[in-house]
Amino acid sequence: EVQLVESGGGLVQPGRSLKLSCVASGFTFSNYGMNWIRQAPGKGLEWVAYISSGSSYIYYAETVKGRFTISRDNAKNTLYLQMTSLRSEDTALYYCARETTSFDYWGQGVMVTVSS
Amino acid sequence: DIQMTQSPPSLSASLGDKVTITCQASQNINKYIAWYQQKPGKAPRLLIRYTSTLESGTPSRFSGSGSGRDYSFSISNVESEDIASYYCLQYVNLYTFGAGTKLELK
Repeated sequence: EVQLVESGGGLVQPGRSLKLSCVASGFTFSNYGMNWIRQAPGKGLEWVAYISSGSSYIYYAETVKGRFTISRDNAKNTLYLQMTSLRSEDTALYYCARETTSFDYWGQGVMVTVSS
Repeated sequence: DIQMTQSPPSLSASLGDKVTITCQASQNINKYIAWYQQKPGKAPRLLIRYTSTLESGTPSRFSGSGSGRDYSFSISNVESEDIASYYCLQYVNLYTFGAGTKLELK
């Protein structure tokens, strides 16, 4: 069974940093591209970042480019999102999702709240 | 960037109705559109990819169609378990979600 479990969220002050993790199981993690997608409270879905299976290709949404860094450790079956210079508008539930041209499996999400 | 205009924002239906949601892309997306269902407090679930290909486990009352810039998603014979929000996603050039449609019972 495919499972994606996010962690690392919490309350953080504006301008500070936070690192999210997503541990994958039930499939060969190193064969798949992975994504981070977020959803602000009561709002729609926003794609955040993509990383290819071997980390050769990385793309970001314009709203996070230069502030967020996606990475992965295939030996640990883990996806990361390093978030810096956080803003109130980054407050959201962050999902990791497996890439198969679209997003077929999602984690349950981890909440990030940016507030003073 | 490709923009996705999804409508309507909300929809009210009776059990057994047929409902249709549309998404218009800002440019040709060559059928690279997927549709997701999201229930409150849950992660989105992939229902349809590549315009009309149903995922395993997606009931046949769900369908998708379209080409070029214009796409639609339908539920025939709405059931109570279909009450949720629905999103389109283009994946021809990075990824863009539509704003979502909230389906409620009349």
